[in-house]
Amino acid sequence: KAGVTQTPRYLIKTRGQQVTLSCSPISGHRSVSWYQQTPGQGLQFLFEYFSETQRNKGNFPGRFSGRQFSNSRSEMNVSTLELGDSALYLCASSLGGTGEKLFFGSGTQLSVL
Amino acid sequence: EDQVTQSPEALRLQEGESSSLNCSYTVSGLRGLFWYRQDPGKGPEFLFTLYSAGEEKEKERLKATLTKKESFLHITAPKPEDSATYLCAVEGGSEKLVFGKGTKLTVNP
Repeated sequence: KAGVTQTPRYLIKTRGQQVTLSCSPISGHRSVSWYQQTPGQGLQFLFEYFSETQRNKGNFPGRFSGRQFSNSRSEMNVSTLELGDSALYLCASSLGGTGEKLFFGSGTQLSVL
Repeated sequence: EDQVTQSPEALRLQEGESSSLNCSYTVSGLRGLFWYRQDPGKGPEFLFTLYSAGEEKEKERLKATLTKKESFLHITAPKPEDSATYLCAVEGGSEKLVFGKGTKLTVNP
């Protein structure tokens, strides 16, 4: 059974640019959530999508957005990049119930110069 | 607001030296407390879910326990391959998963 796949693995952008990250969940999983991981703040919840609808959202500015497609694949977009957006962005999938374990991808390492 | 605090931040053990990692939490309406393991360059890997105080779960050299205020991850006779960052997270009524900053465990041979 294939795991959660995130692309690209590494990304270098400059301030002011925008970026799109992609996530393919485990087959049959309908929930996809996104997290930002930095050495200082640890793992922070960005948002969760379930059946193409945003079900929950963390405390991040509107520059961070996402969407989910009918095949459960998800994309995350960050517009007007700032230096502080440099982080590992992790995607996780699950069946979608509460209290369920998450399966994480290996992440996209974003560097903003 | 749900909060998770893990201690210590880092822990060095000799192979075979047992110890415990702590996760203190405050949450409104606990729906689950989770332990994950994260190796460098990889995403977190699920270890355990605990749902109510008094619950315990074991897997190989790891045992997780839960009270109303904290959870412990006990590591018995660790091996070098147990070296990783261990993350604790809670899901409460908000249905948002809140993570602690993790404990980086190093087991020396």
